[in-house]
Amino acid sequence: DQQVKQNSPSLSVQEGRISILNCDYTNSMFDYFLWYKKYPAEGPTFLISISSIKDKNEDGRFTVFLNKSAKHLSLHIVPSQPGDSAVYFCAAAQTGANSKLTFGKGITLSVRP
Amino acid sequence: GAVVSQHPSWVICKSGTSVKIECRSLDFQATTMFWYRQFPKQSLMLMATSNEGSKATYEQGVEKDKFLINHASLTLSTLTVTSAHPEDSSFYICSARVHLGQGNGYTFGSGTRLTVV
Repeated sequence: DQQVKQNSPSLSVQEGRISILNCDYTNSMFDYFLWYKKYPAEGPTFLISISSIKDKNEDGRFTVFLNKSAKHLSLHIVPSQPGDSAVYFCAAAQTGANSKLTFGKGITLSVRP
Repeated sequence: GAVVSQHPSWVICKSGTSVKIECRSLDFQATTMFWYRQFPKQSLMLMATSNEGSKATYEQGVEKDKFLINHASLTLSTLTVTSAHPEDSSFYICSARVHLGQGNGYTFGSGTRLTVV
């Protein structure tokens, strides 16, 4: 049973426009969410996170929105740049002593020049 | 800060041999490290949680005798793939928990591409 779902495998966006990457989760115990960017044959790089006590967190071009009632979060990238082209993973955790991340399958973002 | 170094970045080994992958925390002490495996175009699947000074906790379906994890110090965790077979070929990534619940609580190594021939 997949607890973190990224249902769209890919997204293509024109440079300068907004990229919206979606993520859904099923485990109501998750209270901390992260987005990672990953290139092939490299480890994930942290982008932005959000705690369940918030519904929005912004860092430069990246904004993450959390809708707890819908168990849905999204990552907005504005404006999108060709260098943003990569695989983006959504991850969730239940904070605590034994906290561990559960990842979605990832979404491949392509930003067209 | 909070850098995790993973070595080697790639390795090719013969079927039946064992391969050791190292994961080091360079500027912090990592009491907990995680080992993931990623198949092409798939998610990062957690294999096991490694706790310094104690036995690793393996996820369901992961053979503990196949994937030996040692976390003998606060800065080093190792994953040994024993008697490797072609189906073990994959991308292995380690991660360390830096802190909980605020900012980036998990930092990742650069991964190891294992190819078993």
